[in-house]
Amino acid sequence: DTAVSQTPKYLVTQMGNDKSIKCEQNLGHDTMYWYKQDSKKFLKIMFSYNNKELIINETVPNRFSPKSPDKAHLNLHINSLELGDSAVYFCASSQGSGQGKGEQYFGPGTRLTVT
Amino acid sequence: AQSVTQPDIHITVSEGASLELRCNYSYGATPYLFWYVQSPGQGLQLLLKYFSGDTLVQGIKGFEAEFKRSQSSFNLRKPSVHWSDAAEYFCAVGAREKLTFGTGTRLTIIP
Repeated sequence: DTAVSQTPKYLVTQMGNDKSIKCEQNLGHDTMYWYKQDSKKFLKIMFSYNNKELIINETVPNRFSPKSPDKAHLNLHINSLELGDSAVYFCASSQGSGQGKGEQYFGPGTRLTVT
Repeated sequence: AQSVTQPDIHITVSEGASLELRCNYSYGATPYLFWYVQSPGQGLQLLLKYFSGDTLVQGIKGFEAEFKRSQSSFNLRKPSVHWSDAAEYFCAVGAREKLTFGTGTRLTIIP
């Protein structure tokens, strides 16, 4: 009965490769997010989708492309991976518009290591 | 733009002692405020939130936080910590469709 799940949990790959991280939530929420947590634990939002529509797109390289096939899923595809992409990526979801108010539920994270 | 400052990078307390983690925010209007906890290797779990009303809010695991508008603060407290409270704690402010997190405070518990 996991609320927000991510796959894979660990991802080790070489520079230049393309990889995807998948996220699914079974909470019935209509908004989903991707966050990046760097090695110093700093957590920063990357994208937010509401009902499959992109509503937040922070300053993220074009190599990162989110895709939301339905409101329960938000995947993150990364092209031409670089060393600096190594981080933990968290998916989250919340309910309702005004996402600053809605409490967000986080997945367990995907640790991406680029070698 | 909103911002959050957690001035303490690392705090060490003895088991059974009281705890206060500091959080200061910057935002032009009344913010929505949150505390999250991240155990090692885990995702973030919501401890408590403040939207409006009573400025002292209760959360899970015996935590509470007090919103002080005059000080732009939302400090987290617990009267008696347990070894299982060792984790990273994040304060966040919600505004303009997104959450902005502080840099976190790492809590270490000593026996």
